[in-house]
Amino acid sequence: DAGVIQSPRHEVTEMGQEVTLRCKPISGHDYLFWYRQTMMRGLELLIYFNNNVPIDDSGMPEDRFSAKMPNASFSTLKIQPSEPRDSAVYFCASSPSRNYGYTFGSGTRLTVV
Amino acid sequence: GQQVMQIPQYQHVQEGEDFTTYCNSSTTLSNIQWYKQRPGGHPVFLIQLVKSGEVKKQKRLTFQFGEAKKNSSLHITATQTTDVGTYFCAGMKTSYDKVIFGPGTSLSVIP
Repeated sequence: DAGVIQSPRHEVTEMGQEVTLRCKPISGHDYLFWYRQTMMRGLELLIYFNNNVPIDDSGMPEDRFSAKMPNASFSTLKIQPSEPRDSAVYFCASSPSRNYGYTFGSGTRLTVV
Repeated sequence: GQQVMQIPQYQHVQEGEDFTTYCNSSTTLSNIQWYKQRPGGHPVFLIQLVKSGEVKKQKRLTFQFGEAKKNSSLHITATQTTDVGTYFCAGMKTSYDKVIFGPGTSLSVIP
């Protein structure tokens, strides 16, 4: 199993540009989570899906952030327009159930200049 | 809301010394998970504790869940340089709530 796959690994973009982060969860995992990690705020849950349906998006910082999961093997997190304060490492994680450990992807390091 | 705290924030130890990190929740947890993140890496799931007073071991690592299910600890015996990283606890209040990550304890091991 290749694990949770995220792309790109690094993204540098200018303020105001649209950014799309991608995630392929482990096959058979029904739950998918998007986290953001910064030194100041630690690991923050942005949104999670169960069977492709968004369950809790209360962690999404504002309307500039949106996430989709069109099928069981793909999810995107979009930021439009991006701002410098969005700079962080974004992790995708998947799990076979919500009461089981999460498998994290390698993350996308986003820098907005 | 639910908060998960960890102490200490940082710990520097000589190789061979023991290390302990503590996790405390403001509310009773249904389970607690522990993760390790190496510098520049991603969190890796270590273990989950579910029962009150539960103790689990993984080689030199010992995990405990408090009797009241509001605190937990991770103890590493005879640390090695491979133990370097940040250790996170993550608690779930009920079976239907999201996992909340603590701020982590960063461990440095001096050879």
